[in-house]
Amino acid sequence: ETGVTQTPRHLVMGMTNKKSLKCEQHLGHNAMYWYKQSAKKPLELMFVYSLEERVENNSVPSRFSPECPNSSHLFLHLHTLQPEDSALYLCASSRTGPNTEAFFGQGTRLTVV
Amino acid sequence: RKEVEQDPGPFNVPEGATVAFNCTYSNSASQSFFWYRQDCRKEPKLLMSVYSSGNEDGRFTAQLNRASQYISLLIRDSKLSDSATYLCVVNPGGGYQKVTFGIGTKLQVIP
Repeated sequence: ETGVTQTPRHLVMGMTNKKSLKCEQHLGHNAMYWYKQSAKKPLELMFVYSLEERVENNSVPSRFSPECPNSSHLFLHLHTLQPEDSALYLCASSRTGPNTEAFFGQGTRLTVV
Repeated sequence: RKEVEQDPGPFNVPEGATVAFNCTYSNSASQSFFWYRQDCRKEPKLLMSVYSSGNEDGRFTAQLNRASQYISLLIRDSKLSDSATYLCVVNPGGGYQKVTFGIGTKLQVIP
């Protein structure tokens, strides 16, 4: 139990569907992150929220839309995805600052059909 | 040059062997460094932070060489349970964590 919980663990969706990934942390952290992990590629940082404000958006397509209603919750809204978006989506949280480590959720394995 | 470079492996080693991984980074101003372990189809988990003076945790030793811009992870007396992918993580610093992950080095410990 890492204190970071993601739901659902697995998701299969069609290209015309709309779905949302949820992340919740109970560690008292004030920064949360979405990462994408594709096969044979390093983790790619997608979005960073610090103190509930989006501070990083790494040129992610608009079909991915993050939402951070409070410091404990993070969502990733998905719509009109492509098959190449199939990947493991990982949420992480940390304290802010340069020398703190991130704690990851178990991820959502997304398949777009 | 990639921000963080690792040899993806796989490194196949017999039980009991000592194995070492290196990871190079391009940003000389990077402030903090970590090794994470990721088991197949699982999330990454922090293995250890890497301090300037080097640090050891049981069979694992991590070292930082700022002059040559690399960090290393040494595993002694390898166990079957050490089989995993080891991710090098570099944080350039700043007001929030903006880390870069290496692609990971896959280790397979063989009986």
